[in-house]
Amino acid sequence: DTGVSQNPRHKITKRGQNVTFRCDPISEHNRLYWYRQTLGQGPEFLTYFQNEAQLEKSRLLSDRFSAERPKGSFSTLEIQRTEQGDSAMYLCASSLELGVNTEAFFGQGTRLTVV
Amino acid sequence: AQKVTQAQTEISVVEKEDVTLDCVYETRDTTYYLFWYKQPPSGELVFLIRRNSFDEQNEISGRYSWNFQKSTSSFNFTITASQVVDSAVYFCALSEYTGNQFYFGTGTSLTVIP
Repeated sequence: DTGVSQNPRHKITKRGQNVTFRCDPISEHNRLYWYRQTLGQGPEFLTYFQNEAQLEKSRLLSDRFSAERPKGSFSTLEIQRTEQGDSAMYLCASSLELGVNTEAFFGQGTRLTVV
Repeated sequence: AQKVTQAQTEISVVEKEDVTLDCVYETRDTTYYLFWYKQPPSGELVFLIRRNSFDEQNEISGRYSWNFQKSTSSFNFTITASQVVDSAVYFCALSEYTGNQFYFGTGTSLTVIP
């Protein structure tokens, strides 16, 4: 296991379609995060999981967005009825929570373009 | 509220010059972590350093050094003898001690000219 893996790397979709992204974290990491990054900006927090439990969601995560982490392993992020404003890089990260926050390791991201 | 400010949007230096990237943060927490990440053109965020709020010692790792000053809420990053491979966007980030998320600055794009 060499790091966080995200698929696909790129996704082009038509407005109104649904898309799903997958993230495979570093195997022993119990925390998994989703971030969104638009051009010229830093990553913005969307949601995070502790094992299989989704413990926090940002206000950025509208009801068109849903994330899951079944069995506390890989995670999926689904966007329904995509809009052009959803075009961004979606980053997944994982970390090992040991009672305190440790560094997060990021995947290469999925770049979404909504046309 | 947590906030990270990286006032330098873009910096260009000639190879072998030293360069300092500034980071100023805001938090009401007394315990927190600070991070620097590098984002090369490939897009992946690469972890560089984590520093907790109790440790104000400066740190050096090869050509990289970090200066943490709690009094000015700053965590600056210096690259000595810059190289073309250092060209990337660098992000400073903040998290609570047992926090659930990382707060990133807007990044500084560094270009090292050969």
